[in-house]
Amino acid sequence: GAGVSQSPSNKVTEKGKDVELRCDPISGHTALYWYRQRLGQGLEFLIYFQGNSAPDKSGLPSDRFSAERTGESVSTLTIQRTQQEDSAVYLCASSLEASGRSYEQYFGPGTRLTVT
Amino acid sequence: AQSVAQPEDQVNVAEGNPLTVKCTYSVSGNPYLFWYVQYPNRGLQFLLKYITGDNLVKGSYGFEAEFNKSQTSFHLKKPSALVSDSALYFCAVRDGSARQLTFGSGTQLTVLP
Repeated sequence: GAGVSQSPSNKVTEKGKDVELRCDPISGHTALYWYRQRLGQGLEFLIYFQGNSAPDKSGLPSDRFSAERTGESVSTLTIQRTQQEDSAVYLCASSLEASGRSYEQYFGPGTRLTVT
Repeated sequence: AQSVAQPEDQVNVAEGNPLTVKCTYSVSGNPYLFWYVQYPNRGLQFLLKYITGDNLVKGSYGFEAEFNKSQTSFHLKKPSALVSDSALYFCAVRDGSARQLTFGSGTQLTVLP
């Protein structure tokens, strides 16, 4: 079946511009996550959505970062006034979530963002 | 708070030899442990997980991992390495209350022919 998809796969933008990254989770997955992976480093958690609950935004690095999700479908991550330190691969993941159960997260291919 | 350590940035092993990629963790409650693999220019692929039950967990592509509670470790192993196993491996943990995964810094595995 279809996995997690992300678009665009690559994005080059000038410093100060806004960018919007998109994630399509696996159908039926109630949880959606955004992570950032800087070159040569592990993944940093950014934000988590679960159903209609308020999102967990505890990983967002600044107020320039925001994300939305409509129901249990598409999510967009927006970075305003991009800075060079925002250059990274942005990964989206989705998973099933149920009370008392823990399921693995399935990752998309990522969006490579380069801020010049 | 939860954290993961992968003490080796790079592991080299000859094809056909056993491989081990190390991971230790710290969580406040019961750990949920995961291994992911990342091939160049591709997203992370799930390999295996430990939630509860047997300490030895078997996963995809012949990989397995052993959960050791006393040593707070979850090392990834494979009895006979293949050149195609060469990739970046990430260990991740969450506790029962957290939803996001905390990842280690990754270990680059190179299997030499």
